[in-house]
Amino acid sequence: QITLKESGPTLVKPTQTLTLTCTFSGFSLSTNGVSVGWIRQPPGKALEWLALLYWDDDTRYSPSLKNRLAITKGTSKNQVVLTMTHMDPVDTGTYYCARSSEELTIKFDSWGQGSLVIVSS
Amino acid sequence: SYELTQSLSVSVALGQTARITCGGVNIERKNVHWYQQKPGQAPVMVIYRDQNRPSGIPDRFSGSNSGKTATLTISRAQAGDEADYYCQVWDSSTVVFGGGTKLTVL
Repeated sequence: QITLKESGPTLVKPTQTLTLTCTFSGFSLSTNGVSVGWIRQPPGKALEWLALLYWDDDTRYSPSLKNRLAITKGTSKNQVVLTMTHMDPVDTGTYYCARSSEELTIKFDSWGQGSLVIVSS
Repeated sequence: SYELTQSLSVSVALGQTARITCGGVNIERKNVHWYQQKPGQAPVMVIYRDQNRPSGIPDRFSGSNSGKTATLTISRAQAGDEADYYCQVWDSSTVVFGGGTKLTVL
């Protein structure tokens, strides 16, 4: 059974850096073709992709946010960490991590429950 | 950057067929994936690579991709199908989501 779970602060102040951790089980990020992505969703709005980490440590970022994002493997082999700098109230929303099992086309077949992040002073 | 266009909302009578569309430039050349998201829940993939159903997804859900539109079809719509639906593609090494369609079952 594949599970993913996001963890991190619920409340972040403007200008601060957000760090979120995705802890997963049931698959290995060392397997060819596997990747873990981060997707966010402002309240009442659509899904927005943020970043992707491949099994081989290659990364991809949303062009509009790439200057603020970093995605890395965590200290544990079953964790992926997302950092987002210069947080702003418009970054408020639910942040999801999700797995993709194909290299040729990214499709998210398993998702975490989401982590709510509120940016406010 | 690549864009996917979805209608804001679609309504369907209980037991009838709903069609949710996703438009994009040369979309027929891309692999389109579809997600269902119910209020307060994480998205769930319901169709991948245009027309394939993950295990556990009812065969009432089907997909197609031809012409200039990808379509998610929900046959014999049930009250439990009421949700937001998102299409998604992989283009130029970026993940792109459509704006989402709210399906209402009347």
